[in-house]
Amino acid sequence: DAGVTQSPTHLIKTRGQQVTLRCSPKSGHDTVSWYQQALGQGPQFIFQYYEEEERQRGNFPDRFSGHQFPNYSSELNVNALLLGDSALYLCASSLAGSRIGNQPQHFGDGTRLSIL
Amino acid sequence: AQSVTQLDSQVPVFEEAPVELRCNYSSSVSVYLFWYVQYPNQGLQLLLKYLSGSTLVKGINGFEAEFNKSQTSFHLRKPSVHISDTAEYFCAVSDLWEGSSNTGKLIFGQGTTLQVKP
Repeated sequence: DAGVTQSPTHLIKTRGQQVTLRCSPKSGHDTVSWYQQALGQGPQFIFQYYEEEERQRGNFPDRFSGHQFPNYSSELNVNALLLGDSALYLCASSLAGSRIGNQPQHFGDGTRLSIL
Repeated sequence: AQSVTQLDSQVPVFEEAPVELRCNYSSSVSVYLFWYVQYPNQGLQLLLKYLSGSTLVKGINGFEAEFNKSQTSFHLRKPSVHISDTAEYFCAVSDLWEGSSNTGKLIFGQGTTLQVKP
């Protein structure tokens, strides 16, 4: 049973560029959340997608956008990259329901993004 | 707004000794609580969760945690640690989205590095 998979594993970009990160959820999961983990910090919630729509958003600028496809996979796009965007980007999937807050999120190994 | 505070940034301990990693949260509503572990260059793995019911929760790898509502704490414990337990540990609370059902958004603490020495 495949878990959450993310690609690429590592990525190096320069300031001002744009980047797309990809995530395939765990089999049977339909909800995808994205988190940013800066070095030495806990993950911070970026946004969550469910039924191909952004369900909830954290305190991140509009440069961060996303998409969910009919097969539940998801992309995270970041425009106009800044040095401060260097971080580990984690994707987590879960199963929605009437009370999805109690459904544990399963995390991928992340994409390490470095901005030069 | 909800928040999570992990009281120790680093916890050094000798192998086979007991350990406690402390976590406090702030919230005005009922919450779900989680502990995750992160090994180097990996994502987060769920250790255990508290949703309701018994305040003592048992998880994987011999870890357990106790929910204390009056003290708003959710401390993680293990009676005897192994070298392989060396990792970063995160306490998290599930946010309650205003005006709607819980979406499962997680708010994390800053993390505690557990260093197990031989």
